[in-house]
Amino acid sequence: ETGVTQTPRHLVMGMTNKKSLKCEQHLGHNAMYWYKQSAKKPLELMFVYNFKEQTENNSVPSRFSPECPNSSHLFLHLHTLQPEDSALYLCASSQRTLAHEQYFGPGTRLTVT
Amino acid sequence: TQLLEQSPQFLSIQEGENLTVYCNSSSVFSSLQWYRQEPGEGPVLLVTVVTGGEVKKLKRLTFQFGDARKDSSLHITAAQPGDTGLYLCAGDRIGSYQLTFGKGTKLSVIP
Repeated sequence: ETGVTQTPRHLVMGMTNKKSLKCEQHLGHNAMYWYKQSAKKPLELMFVYNFKEQTENNSVPSRFSPECPNSSHLFLHLHTLQPEDSALYLCASSQRTLAHEQYFGPGTRLTVT
Repeated sequence: TQLLEQSPQFLSIQEGENLTVYCNSSSVFSSLQWYRQEPGEGPVLLVTVVTGGEVKKLKRLTFQFGDARKDSSLHITAAQPGDTGLYLCAGDRIGSYQLTFGKGTKLSVIP
């Protein structure tokens, strides 16, 4: 595997479910990011991790909970989501010193019913 | 107010035509990036421009960074159906390590 991978690619969940999104990067990067992409809106940065430490949380509701066990893996734990949380969730990675050059995974298309 | 405004929002052209899309802001950026995103996939980095007035070419694609580092343009020569996709510009403002994205230009190249 090369680049940035994300699983699952598609997820349908009810508002009372708990699920997790997984991201893995094989680029030797030390910074990882979660973004939300909704129709007619620009990409919204949710969380940033540098060397496994969370450095940014852009006012994201607590029903989204990130976890970064090491520099290669990033998770987004989801619980009691709302229908408006339906979106494409993208993971990205970069070198911390080159944060402007980010490499994205294919995304997880999430539908909350 | 959008920090990075991209225009046009949608563009549909015939194969072989030339086109230019724009990314504008009132803020100064340390650098600007252009990404292309195809349906069902994540954005793919095309280029980074860092110097005011800089021009970079990638085959039929020409990227320019404005002299004041507030805007950028992407020109495609002789568009091909494979150029179809969502073109996103993104920038990191001076003093910030976060990327700000525009809403994108959705390009369709008709064979």
